[in-house]
Amino acid sequence: NAGVTQTPKFQVLKTGQSMTLQCAQDMNHEYMSWYRQDPGMGLRLIHYSVGAGITDQGEVPNGYNVSRSTTEDFPLRLLSAAPSQTSVYFCASSRGRAIGGNTIYFGEGSWLTVV
Amino acid sequence: GDSVTQMEGPVTLSEEAFLTINCTYTATGYPSLFWYVQYPGEGLQLLLKATKADDKGSNKGFEATYRKETTSFHLEKGSVQVSDSAVYFCALSDRNTGGFKTIFGAGTRLFVKA
Repeated sequence: NAGVTQTPKFQVLKTGQSMTLQCAQDMNHEYMSWYRQDPGMGLRLIHYSVGAGITDQGEVPNGYNVSRSTTEDFPLRLLSAAPSQTSVYFCASSRGRAIGGNTIYFGEGSWLTVV
Repeated sequence: GDSVTQMEGPVTLSEEAFLTINCTYTATGYPSLFWYVQYPGEGLQLLLKATKADDKGSNKGFEATYRKETTSFHLEKGSVQVSDSAVYFCALSDRNTGGFKTIFGAGTRLFVKA
């Protein structure tokens, strides 16, 4: 029972480099999202998707791109890494729209350091 | 916009002490409320939730009651254990849009001493 799987778990990048954080879920969830977690700021939404082919911006989208070509996968791309993007990144998924709100399932996180 | 405010941590308690972590919210609609827990080195996982006023969510000895009149959802546990040491996040989401725009508080770190 894999749930939400993120890779890599740890990554060090140099300023200006690009990379992709991979995310896959095996629960057939419609909704997927990316959050970043910074000390004292909780989780902030970067991008989200409500289904294959549909993505939208969250609270802090600048410097990141996403795509959703399949239900299972939702990669996050850093276009040109900056030290301000040093953070812990969480991919998450949930079922589609439901009255009462849905539980979010999180991956284990990706620790990214930009030097 | 919608927001969640939690008490700042860290909170340090002795084993078997009573725990309260305060959470208040601001929302334009009628949200569902959640508590998530993050153990060291892991992602967040749902602890409990409540979807309408006066509902009480409970799990693993933790409880929280949805108080619409005070816009609060305080987390309580009668007797904490060392294994409860973690970061706790209060969160809200619109009842009609599902989880993709869930808003989280800053988190409260709990340390429980043996």
